[in-house]
Amino acid sequence: DQQVKQNSPSLSVQEGRISILNCDYTNSMFDYFLWYKKYPAEGPTFLISISSIKDKNEDGRFTVFLNKSAKHLSLHIVPSQPGDSAVYFCAATSLKYSTLTFGKGTMLLVSP
Amino acid sequence: GAGVSQSPRYKVAKRGQDVALRCDPISGHVSLFWYQQALGQGPEFLTYFQNEAQLDKSGLPSDRFFAERPEGSVSTLKIQRTQQEDSAVYLCASSSSYGTDYTGELFFGEGSRLTVL
Repeated sequence: DQQVKQNSPSLSVQEGRISILNCDYTNSMFDYFLWYKKYPAEGPTFLISISSIKDKNEDGRFTVFLNKSAKHLSLHIVPSQPGDSAVYFCAATSLKYSTLTFGKGTMLLVSP
Repeated sequence: GAGVSQSPRYKVAKRGQDVALRCDPISGHVSLFWYQQALGQGPEFLTYFQNEAQLDKSGLPSDRFFAERPEGSVSTLKIQRTQQEDSAVYLCASSSSYGTDYTGELFFGEGSRLTVL
């Protein structure tokens, strides 16, 4: 039973437009959420995170929104750039337990 | 080095062979994790070390999997009698945070791709 779900395997967006990547979770114990970005043949790299006490966190072109009641979070990238093309993993944790649970990932393709 | 280093990058094993995968974490990082990533899936947790102590091994899929970090730095993941279903990328990650300061921000290596024939 997947506790972190990314239902869109892929997303295509034009350069300059907004990319919205979605993630749902089922475990109410999760209190911290992260997005990782992965290029081919590389390990995932941390992108942005949000605590369950917040509903929004912004870092440059990247904003993560959290809707606790819906157990849903999303990553917005504005404006999207071709270099953003990668697989994006949503991850969740209970800071008490120190392990991350990842979704299956969404492959984002930003075309010029 | 500056980042997490894993070796070998690629390993082909015949079914039944034993393999050992090595991870050099970022110097001074207390926390070390091993994840398994099958094709088309997200990374799945295997085990967690805080210094040399293995605090969580609940993700190890069978007793053929064994991990150690004897001096609290380099870690080795060993898989005995490999099976085809063990084929995956094995990711090591380290973090300077732990316990009540844990942030979830992990630094991953490039992974070791294991193919079992």
